Amino acid sequence: DADVTQTPRNRITKTGKRIMLECSQTKGHDRMYWYRQDPGLGLRLIYYSFDVKDINKGEISDGYSVSRQAQAKFSLSLESAIPNQTALYFCATSGLYTGELFFGEGSRLTVL
Amino acid sequence: TQLLEQSPQFLSIQEGENLTVYCNSSSVFSSLQWYRQEPGEGPVLLVTVVTGGEVKKLKRLTFQFGDARKDSSLHITAAQPGDTGLYLCAGAGVGGTASKLTFGTGTRLQVTL
Repeated sequence: DADVTQTPRNRITKTGKRIMLECSQTKGHDRMYWYRQDPGLGLRLIYYSFDVKDINKGEISDGYSVSRQAQAKFSLSLESAIPNQTALYFCATSGLYTGELFFGEGSRLTVL
Repeated sequence: TQLLEQSPQFLSIQEGENLTVYCNSSSVFSSLQWYRQEPGEGPVLLVTVVTGGEVKKLKRLTFQFGDARKDSSLHITAAQPGDTGLYLCAGAGVGGTASKLTFGTGTRLQVTL
């Protein structure tokens, strides 16, 4: 089983719908992240959390919200999806002392 | 906002050829990471370089951090089909935490037989 698991892996939805992407991890890391990947733009940070009571905005947080339900769970929500939120979304974790990111397999979201 | 430009964007080569991928910025980074991403998977860390001028080798892959810590290169010797993937550099700003990682635009490498 993967250390960082994302659900769903693929989702097609319509403009205006609410969408939640979920992430769970078994690495025991306190730090969790949500990234968005678009062709030619690399990975951009949406939100990050250093522990259960800590939530921070990243580079592109507008239109997104997150919830850290437990040390192992970090979910990303799109309250009202729009087509330019069509992208590949990655959840990642990192340990306290190293900068290495451990990524999930990604959630491909298409907003029509 | 710190920007990391990678070049080339796409590279298609035959097995056995050598190649170099570049990662450039006008900003100074405390460290720089290289990741490889295969289709349907998340990026996986290959190496972290920390000191200006540092060179690290990982089998046929050689990573170098620029003296001024603004750029980095990845050289692959005798490329193999298993090297195919998207290569991403990521720089850590002051403080060096993953919250301050800036990812490059990516280089997509295809190695054919």
